[in-house]
Amino acid sequence: DSGVTQTPKHLITATGQRVTLRCSPRSGDLSVYWYQQSLDQGLQFLIQYYNGEERAKGNILERFSAQQFPDLHSELNLSSLELGDSALYFCASTVGGTGELFFGEGSRLTVL
Amino acid sequence: EDQVTQSPEALRLQEGESSSLNCSYTVSGLRGLFWYRQDPGKGPEFLFTLYSAGEEKEKERLKATLTKKESFLHITAPKPEDSATYLCAVQAENNAGNMLTFGGGTRLMVKP
Repeated sequence: DSGVTQTPKHLITATGQRVTLRCSPRSGDLSVYWYQQSLDQGLQFLIQYYNGEERAKGNILERFSAQQFPDLHSELNLSSLELGDSALYFCASTVGGTGELFFGEGSRLTVL
Repeated sequence: EDQVTQSPEALRLQEGESSSLNCSYTVSGLRGLFWYRQDPGKGPEFLFTLYSAGEEKEKERLKATLTKKESFLHITAPKPEDSATYLCAVQAENNAGNMLTFGGGTRLMVKP
């Protein structure tokens, strides 16, 4: 158990819909990262927050947004969903700048 | 742009048959190279960090090494429980968010 909690574990929805994925980082970790993993793309960095502020952005679509709340949990919002958004979405946390990330078990999103 | 390429994509070994996984990288100043293990349906789990060429790290049957252009993960006398996908990632020095760029992974299958 990494200490990072993600909900929901599985989500099935239709094209055009909007979903929210939630992540609770390990106790004491200030950094939260979101990654997308699909079969053909591997693990792709989406966005990072540090202590409530956006720190870095990867190839995140404009239809996607995220935030980190004062209690340090984070949410990833995916809107106007397309079939290609079907993937595993991972949240990871760490204390600061180390590359030793602790990953949650992921949220599997299926868009039909 | 940082790039990480892993080979082979898949590797089948008999129990006890030692081998190596390769990770080639291109990065504008390496802050660290990381190895992770990912089991099916789970998030990646941290294994090693390497910071400079010539460095080696060991853990049980695994040994990671680093040169200026690539890293190897050597697996000595593997067991079926070593079956997993092994991911390599780099962290660049000029990386404001300290995020990791991952390779596509090597799926290792060890047969008894």
